[in-house]
Amino acid sequence: DVKVTQSSRYLVKRTGEKVFLECVQDMDHENMFWYRQDPGLGLRLIYFSYDVKMKEKGDIPEGYSVSREKKERFSLILESASTNQTSMYLCASSPGGATQETQYFGPGTRLLVL
Amino acid sequence: EDQVTQSPEALRLQEGESSSLNCSYTVSGLRGLFWYRQDPGKGPEFLFTLYSAGEEKEKERLKATLTKKESFLHITAPKPEDSATYLCAVQAYEDRGSTLGRLYFGRGTQLTVWP
Repeated sequence: DVKVTQSSRYLVKRTGEKVFLECVQDMDHENMFWYRQDPGLGLRLIYFSYDVKMKEKGDIPEGYSVSREKKERFSLILESASTNQTSMYLCASSPGGATQETQYFGPGTRLLVL
Repeated sequence: EDQVTQSPEALRLQEGESSSLNCSYTVSGLRGLFWYRQDPGKGPEFLFTLYSAGEEKEKERLKATLTKKESFLHITAPKPEDSATYLCAVQAYEDRGSTLGRLYFGRGTQLTVWP
């Protein structure tokens, strides 16, 4: 079974702090994704990565950056956390190189910025 | 403009009352359509992938079907444990190379099944 893990289930941070969210997958997947999910807005893509050290902006990259130094690990960084970044953050991975790309999700990190 | 629209936004059913959820999409070329189930406070769980019009897939009380512009998730004789948000996503032919793996998600249908 595909396993995607996220470093924290719940996180509370203060405005202006630098925040790191970590995601690890154990299936040698090429693609990894970061989404945020807010009530009424659905899943919105922040960034994704199709290879080590490669990244693409999603629909809402402002205020975020990412790092992928190893194939299995994809980090989301909030450079200076703000209250409007309070949300549920979801990481996903998919195999890559195939015609149809099923994404597998982690359990999510609920971030509260005070 | 949303590329994937799900309806209804919320659906309440009595246990045993069958119904369908709808997912319509506007991408011109469909590589795949995906259904997920999401329980409160958890990540989405993969259910089905559909590739071409006319295709159907089943899992327990759920059956997903696909036409040229929409998909239906039929729920037969639902039970309270089927209560969840159901998400639909599409993968488009317009995406190439580095964006090939991208999915476009709808906002979901929140299903509640009461005893």
